[in-house]
Amino acid sequence: DVKVTQSSRYLVKRTGEKVFLECVQDMDHENMFWYRQDPGLGLRLIYFSYDVKMKEKGDIPEGYSVSREKKERFSLILESASTNQTSMYLCASSLQGATGELFFGEGSRLTVL
Amino acid sequence: QKEVEQDPGPLSVPEGAIVSLNCTYSNSAFQYFMWYRQYSRKGPELLMYTYSSGNKEDGRFTAQVDKSSKYISLFIRDSQPSDSATYLCVPASGGSYIPTFGRGTSLIVHP
Repeated sequence: DVKVTQSSRYLVKRTGEKVFLECVQDMDHENMFWYRQDPGLGLRLIYFSYDVKMKEKGDIPEGYSVSREKKERFSLILESASTNQTSMYLCASSLQGATGELFFGEGSRLTVL
Repeated sequence: QKEVEQDPGPLSVPEGAIVSLNCTYSNSAFQYFMWYRQYSRKGPELLMYTYSSGNKEDGRFTAQVDKSSKYISLFIRDSQPSDSATYLCVPASGGSYIPTFGRGTSLIVHP
């Protein structure tokens, strides 16, 4: 089974802190994604990566950065957390060429106080 | 107009009912149509995957796509409390590996 593992299920941080959200997949997928999910807004794409060291902005990249140094690992970084970044963050991966078939992690619920 | 529209619900039905979940989209380039299911406090998981118009059945679940009217449906027969989840309508266009997520419909099946 494909497994996408997000390092932290629940985090509480203070405004201005730097936050790292880690995601690891074990199926050698080329594509990796970071979404945030908010009530009433659905899933919104923050960043995605189609290869090591490659990254592309999604729909809402402001306030976020990403790092992909190894194929299996995709990190989301909040340089200076703000209260409006309180959300559920979902990591996903897919095979190159796969159309729409994403495998998701269980999510990281971040609260910024 | 949003690319994918879904009624957020919640849709509450008794156990055993036939459930119809619906979705409309605006982009005629969409050719692949997925339904994802998301349980509370979990990530979404792929439930059904169809290509172009037509029906696809998998157990109690049937996905139906009508490209002429840009309308997508998911039917659940003999619904169970374990079907209680949010169902996300997710179309995609050929050549793009980034699907477009609907906001989802919350389904509650009560015993």
